[in-house]
Amino acid sequence: RKEVEQDPGPFNVPEGATVAFNCTYSNSASQSFFWYRQDCRKEPKLLMSVYSSGNEDGRFTAQLNRASQYISLLIRDSKLSDSATYLCVVNRGGGFKTIFGAGTRLFVKA
Amino acid sequence: DGGITQSPKYLFRKEGQNVTLSCEQNLNHDAMYWYRQDPGQGLRLIYYSQIVNDFQKGDIAEGYSVSREKKESFPLTVTSAQKNPTAFYLCASSIGGTSGGARGELFFGEGSRLTVL
Repeated sequence: RKEVEQDPGPFNVPEGATVAFNCTYSNSASQSFFWYRQDCRKEPKLLMSVYSSGNEDGRFTAQLNRASQYISLLIRDSKLSDSATYLCVVNRGGGFKTIFGAGTRLFVKA
Repeated sequence: DGGITQSPKYLFRKEGQNVTLSCEQNLNHDAMYWYRQDPGQGLRLIYYSQIVNDFQKGDIAEGYSVSREKKESFPLTVTSAQKNPTAFYLCASSIGGTSGGARGELFFGEGSRLTVL
């Protein structure tokens, strides 16, 4: 079993739709959590950190459930430019203990 | 602007050849990393370095070598011993080695795409 698991998708949604991704992690010692965005053939870039209290950045909302060991990302009012792969990332303390999920692909269509 | 620069972006290699991928950062970060990404898989850690003149093997170090002679530079050599070297290679850095800085946030270069012919 992978330490960080995501539904690979693809998710195909129309512009303006709301879409949600989930991610589960297996190591209860995990300390910090992130969502990264990766465009096709580009490097990953930090989208947002994830906190137990939940956090929001514009159209994006991230949530962490430590008891169930899952992380979610909600995108409201999807834009064409949101089309990308979203990586769930879990850190167990120290940059070298960062584990990446394989990513969820999102396609937003006009 | 601070950042991480990788070169070359695209590289073709014949079987049996060693190649070296360059990674330079001007973020003044202590820690640097090399990852490999294959289609449908998450990033996998090849090597990491938390401080100058020290580096450690990651999960898939076989067939690779690194050096860390300067804080700014962390080159990766893909040797002929690497059985399946065709992949997208990403260099990253973070503020602190053990703390990871900012709760583990990594900053990436644009990547180097290696193809073995």
